[in-house]
Amino acid sequence: GESVGLHLPTLSVQEGDNSIINCAYSNSASDYFIWYKQESGKGPQFIIDIRSNMDKRQGQRVTVLLNKTVKHLSLQIAATQPGDSAVYFCAENGGNAGNMLTFGGGTRLMVKP
Amino acid sequence: DAGVIQSPRHEVTEMGQEVTLRCKPISGHNSLFWYRQTMMRGLELLIYFNNNVPIDDSGMPEDRFSAKMPNASFSTLKIQPSEPRDSAVYFCASQRRATNEKLFFGSGTQLSVL
Repeated sequence: GESVGLHLPTLSVQEGDNSIINCAYSNSASDYFIWYKQESGKGPQFIIDIRSNMDKRQGQRVTVLLNKTVKHLSLQIAATQPGDSAVYFCAENGGNAGNMLTFGGGTRLMVKP
Repeated sequence: DAGVIQSPRHEVTEMGQEVTLRCKPISGHNSLFWYRQTMMRGLELLIYFNNNVPIDDSGMPEDRFSAKMPNASFSTLKIQPSEPRDSAVYFCASQRRATNEKLFFGSGTQLSVL
């Protein structure tokens, strides 16, 4: 996943525009991926997940794309709203059929009205 | 469903004191996780349980940290003695079964050790 550290990448978008948040994962054996949204003062909230046998999955206003060749995951948010402002995390399972998820460092999305 | 319930929401204590964080997972979930979140290190897995049994505690930073799950509806994370560097947000999460499924997180406990 993304390296964790002091610097949190920030994406600033205009309300109504589409947002794309990217994640480079590290373990080629990972076969399950999740995107979480975390608002200030709250716990991470599930947005959407995808398994490695798919390269795209759509939810309500969100789409996750998976490119296993380059170990890249992206989250697309359509018609971004102020309520979408949060930190977004990707997580991977490391290929273990159990349940340990490794989280990336997160990206902060700021929506300008 | 009430979701994952953590208590307290905030804890302020002095260095050297014992701290106990509590978690009630979602009913029917078989797996429980404790995470720590800091600006420096992001979200770190400390320990997780399957069916009340600790499976992997390799993320527990030191012997000062211990976790228990006496039954399917309750878990504790204890720090004794606490140190200022333990200050962080501690999250509990539960999962329906021990396979590739999403985790449901609680609201976290903001711990400040002075």
